[in-house]
Amino acid sequence: EVQLVESGGGLVQPGRSLRLSCAASGFTFDDYAMHWVRQAPGKGLEWVSGISWKSGIIGYADSVKGRFTISRDNAKKSLYLQMNSLKAEDMALYYCAKGGYSYGHDAFDIWGQGTMVTVSS
Amino acid sequence: QSVLTQPPSASGTPGQTVTISCSGSSSNIGSNTVNWYQQLPGTAPKLLIYSNNPRPSGVPDRFSGSKSGTSASLAISGLQSEDEADYYCAAWDDSLRGWVFGGGTKLTVL
Repeated sequence: EVQLVESGGGLVQPGRSLRLSCAASGFTFDDYAMHWVRQAPGKGLEWVSGISWKSGIIGYADSVKGRFTISRDNAKKSLYLQMNSLKAEDMALYYCAKGGYSYGHDAFDIWGQGTMVTVSS
Repeated sequence: QSVLTQPPSASGTPGQTVTISCSGSSSNIGSNTVNWYQQLPGTAPKLLIYSNNPRPSGVPDRFSGSKSGTSASLAISGLQSEDEADYYCAAWDDSLRGWVFGGGTKLTVL
């Protein structure tokens, strides 16, 4: 079964850090681009960051550039998001999503169930 | 403010056809394909339409997509109660070098 399972969310104070993980199974992980998409409570979807199959192409939304770092370990079939200097506006449900062969063209065809990040003092 | 513009809400009665619009610019919809996602209440988004029109396996043919210039639309025919969900359009933006989403349209089946 094709599956993405996120973990690492939780309650964190403003200015602190958190690392999210996404474990993939059921497909050849290192063939595909991967992405993080977030959804603030009651709000719409926002693309956060993406990484190509071999980490050659990496991109970030302007809202997180300089604070978040995406990475992947193809041997472990895992995707990560290091989030530093967290702000209240970063509070959201973070989804891991599978892209296609093309980083900037192919749709996100598999989504995890998300991990919630709460930023509050 | 989302880069892609969608109406916040849409509605229809069972059996009707509903269309949801998505407006962008030359740097996103105008030069790239559009994908549509369905998010049922309390669940993760699901890919509904990719590359403007094709449907992933398992998506009913009641759902169809189209694109013209810098706008795209999603049509749902034979509306059913289980279609009640939030719908999002998305496209790659060449200027931003990132993916952009519409603000989402909440579909209500009356």
